[in-house]
Amino acid sequence: GAGVSQSPRYKVAKRGQDVALRCDPISGHVSLFWYQQALGQGPEFLTYFQNEAQLDKSGLPSDRFFAERPEGSVSTLKIQRTQQEDSAVYLCASSSGRPMNTEAFFGQGTRLTVV
Amino acid sequence: AQKVTQAQTEISVVEKEDVTLDCVYETRDTTYYLFWYKQPPSGELVFLIRRNSFDEQNEISGRYSWNFQKSTSSFNFTITASQVVDSAVYFCALSELGTNAGKSTFGDGTTLTVKP
Repeated sequence: GAGVSQSPRYKVAKRGQDVALRCDPISGHVSLFWYQQALGQGPEFLTYFQNEAQLDKSGLPSDRFFAERPEGSVSTLKIQRTQQEDSAVYLCASSSGRPMNTEAFFGQGTRLTVV
Repeated sequence: AQKVTQAQTEISVVEKEDVTLDCVYETRDTTYYLFWYKQPPSGELVFLIRRNSFDEQNEISGRYSWNFQKSTSSFNFTITASQVVDSAVYFCALSELGTNAGKSTFGDGTTLTVKP
């Protein structure tokens, strides 16, 4: 597709369940970012990939959060043993060049609700 | 540490009014980038502008204009002759280079409502 695609758009998980969120970046984009956006707040950085290399994961809130991009294209954000505070919109973005110094394109996000 | 403050949580104007969205930032870096994004109800963040710290020229793009004042660490965004379609949440963001390359800090956004 022409833009960044995220799936699913909505996910309801029971507390303790594992979830996997998918991001399809724009074809050819080497940089990929994950952000978490809580209700009424701005996005918060989680992690960043340059091709398949995860160069920065300092924003991941706990070891329950894990991201991968094994072939340098599609990325998956996995959250294990979900908790209510994980409820948020998870945004993925990609860009063609150096990180965030060029225009970044965001997906529509996955809204995760943990009940 | 870097910080972006958007003091206006919500703004409501009537169509055709001009409106300015404020953004104040904090950074220890001398080289950085500032951004504005628009987030419509559909959820995706739409890039509006990027400005680097060496370029303090104001920029105009149609009804949009940006005022970057390094002396006051502000990067304000003005919409002239607002339209209903401008209703959205607007985010200001800061990206530092160096060890924090790749990471952007966002403000909490300003919700703009333009009434007909």
